[in-house]
Amino acid sequence: DAGVIQSPRHEVTEMGQEVTLRCKPISGHNSLFWYRQTMMRGLELLIYFNNNVPIDDSGMPEDRFSAKMPNASFSTLKIQPSEPRDSAVYFCASSPQGRGFRYEQYFGPGTRLTVT
Amino acid sequence: KQEVTQIPAALSVPEGENLVLNCSFTDSAIYNLQWFRQDPGKGLTSLLLIQSSQREQTSGRLNASLDKSSGRSTLYIAASQPGDSATYLCAVSGAAGNKLTFGGGTRVLVKP
Repeated sequence: DAGVIQSPRHEVTEMGQEVTLRCKPISGHNSLFWYRQTMMRGLELLIYFNNNVPIDDSGMPEDRFSAKMPNASFSTLKIQPSEPRDSAVYFCASSPQGRGFRYEQYFGPGTRLTVT
Repeated sequence: KQEVTQIPAALSVPEGENLVLNCSFTDSAIYNLQWFRQDPGKGLTSLLLIQSSQREQTSGRLNASLDKSSGRSTLYIAASQPGDSATYLCAVSGAAGNKLTFGGGTRVLVKP
């Protein structure tokens, strides 16, 4: 199993540019989570999906952030326009759901975003 | 709102000593609790998951206990090694398939 795959691993962009982060969950997992990690605020949930449907997006900072999950094997997190305060490491995680599962979350390697 | 606290924020021990890492949470209505390890510049590796109905979980030198009523979990690492140096994070889930709320982590340094 390849685990959760995220791309790019590093992104450096200028303020005002659009940024798109990508995630491929573990095959068969039907929950997907986007987290953000900063020194000041630690790890925070941005949004999560169950069966490709957004369930809780209360952690999305503002309208500049949007996330989609067009199918079970792909999700994107978009920031438009980006700002320096968006600089952070963005993690994607996936989890299997249903009877017999423990709902353990598996994390990808993260995307380190720097907005100058 | 669930809050998760890990104390101390940093810990330094000589090799061979047992490690005790603490995690507390304010809302005892949790579904499960996970302990993670994070190496500098890396992602999170799941170490142990404890269901709310369980009291402890063990994996090799690692043992995690859970006291849901008092809102506490402890991660024990026996006979620490320099390779155990990392940041350890605990996180709780309020419902099945729900989001994780993370503590701030404990940064551990095991000195040879």
